[in-house]
Amino acid sequence: SQKIEQNSEALNIQEGKTATLTCNYTNYSPAYLQWYRQDPGRGPVFLLLIRENEKEKRKERLKVTFDTTLKQSLFHITASQPADSATYLCALDTYSGTYKYIFGTGTRLKVLA
Amino acid sequence: EAGVTQFPSHSVIEKGQTVTLRCDPISGHDNLYWYRRVMGKEIKFLLHFVKESKQDESGMPNNRFLAERTGGTYSTLKVQPAELEDSGVYFCASSQELGETQYFGPGTRLLVL
Repeated sequence: SQKIEQNSEALNIQEGKTATLTCNYTNYSPAYLQWYRQDPGRGPVFLLLIRENEKEKRKERLKVTFDTTLKQSLFHITASQPADSATYLCALDTYSGTYKYIFGTGTRLKVLA
Repeated sequence: EAGVTQFPSHSVIEKGQTVTLRCDPISGHDNLYWYRRVMGKEIKFLLHFVKESKQDESGMPNNRFLAERTGGTYSTLKVQPAELEDSGVYFCASSQELGETQYFGPGTRLLVL
């Protein structure tokens, strides 16, 4: 069955460092991969979308890579700030006549001042 | 531009009762999705509307769940009768194009006692 794995353990890093979050998937080949941020009690907020033919995408301090051979995406936050503390979710599309997304359980990031 | 809104934000009901959740997508978004997150698990797809048509309802748990989108604007998700295992956070999302960015609402937190 299709499966997405994200680091289930919380990630603590020092302010100013680069945070790297991992998303691994098995048993299918998505055309799109998205990263979302979720704060407690709120809905997921879209951050970045990367397509299967794109290796890397950047937006301000965020960078996403997509390796379809390794079946892995890495999400980087450079110069991290305490305000970046949140849970980060990756989601991949599955297409079977219609698009729907499968989500990982998310990785909780805490940036320490 | 207003985002996706959901009502109510919280609902506490007893087993056997009926609850109706409402989602108002971003204006002009033809695609509307319902998702659910139960405690400790990942966000799971329930169904997808394109305008008023159900494109994919493969994620609906059982026939106690009924989703509608009359007129292709807002959508409702009714649970009747509610069971304990229906407790969780129900998210709605909308997108302009298929397979592209989905914008999430804040969710409705449902607790069935």
